[in-house]
This record gives sequence, C-alpha cells and structure tokens, in this order.
Amino acid sequence: QITLKESGPMLVKPTQTLTLTCTFSGLSPSTGVVGVGWIRQPPGKALEWLALIYWHDERRYNPSVASRLTITKDTSNNQVVLTMTNMDPVDTATYYCAHRPGGFSPFESWGQGTLITVSS
Amino acid sequence: SQLTQSPSSLSASVGDRVTITCRASQDISIYLAWYQQKPGKAPKLLISAASTLQSGVPSRFSGSGSGTDFTLTISSLQPEDLATYYCQQLNAYPLPFGPGTKVDVK
Repeated sequence: QITLKESGPMLVKPTQTLTLTCTFSGLSPSTGVVGVGWIRQPPGKALEWLALIYWHDERRYNPSVASRLTITKDTSNNQVVLTMTNMDPVDTATYYCAHRPGGFSPFESWGQGTLITVSS
Repeated sequence: SQLTQSPSSLSASVGDRVTITCRASQDISIYLAWYQQKPGKAPKLLISAASTLQSGVPSRFSGSGSGTDFTLTISSLQPEDLATYYCQQLNAYPLPFGPGTKVDVK
C-alpha cells in the first residue's frame, strides 16, 4: 500500500521561502518507476501541477513557477522536499504530493494535502 | 496544450445519466485521466488512458474519447458522487488539469 503525507508550516509571510516535505511509504524503485510530484489548489480553484522528481533524478517543473521551485529527494528517509521562494498571498493553497509511476501515467496515489496560507 | 471542461457545474437527480466533456487544444491521443475530488478531500484517480477504470472504482463510471474530445459518464448518479471532477493531460508538461466540473445531486 502506498501512502504519502505532506508536512510544512501552516503560515508563511510574503517574500519568505516555503519548504514542504512529502513523506511516503510503499514506494520502491524495485517495484517500478517512482516519481513524486507536487500539485496545489487555491481555495475554490482548480488543481495546478508544480513539480515532479523521478528516482533516476529527472526533474520537471511547471514553467509558470519554475524559477521559484526546487524539488529534491532523500531516498534514505523516503522523503521528497519542495522549496518555493518569494512567497506571495496568491500562493495560498492546499499543497498535495502524489505518486506518478512514470511514462504517461496519472497521479495514482495522493497525500491528504496541507493548507499553506501566505499572510503578513 | 490546454484543457476545457463543460459544463462547469451541473445538478442531477439520483439515477440520472451524467456526461462531462473535456476538450484538449491539440491532439493528445488517449493520454488523459479523470479524477474525482469530494469536498475537503484529496483528488482520487478514477480513469487513466482515457478509458481504463481504476481498480475499486464503481462500474457506473466510464471514460471515452481520443485525440481532442473526451467524456466521463456516470451511468446512474448516486448521492456519493457529489464531487468536482477534473481531467488531466498526461503526455506533455506542464501536465495541465481542466478547470473542473462540479456535480451536485438533487
């Protein structure tokens, strides 16, 4: 069974850097291609994919926010970390991490999400 | 590529057949997924590759289409189907999602 869980600060101030951690279980390269991505959803709005990292170190970013994002993995601790710089109130959203097996697969398993509010 | 969905919302009765459309701005073959998001919950994958039902998803859900036009059908709407439904393109970054269709059960 694959599980993912997001953690991070509930509140960040404008211009600060956000660091989010996705801790997962049940994912292993021995069982297939492993990719973990981040998706966000502002209150009452649609989903937006942000970034993705595969275990062979391929990284992908949404061009709309790429200059502000860094995604890394810590395989020994089963974690993927997303940092987003220069936070703005428009970045207020629920942030989800999710598993993508690779190729043209969808996001098959999702974390519960964490609401991040950007406010002074 | 961009995705549009129609309608943006709908209200239907229990037992009704419901159809949601997703349209891509360019040919994406069958590389489309459908998700269900219930209020306050994370999205759940329903369908991949345009028409492949995920394990455990009720058979009243079905997907069809290829190229630029896709549909999600609920053959007999149930009260627990109250949710917003999103399509997502899978074959090109930035892996866009559609704007969503909110389904209300009368």
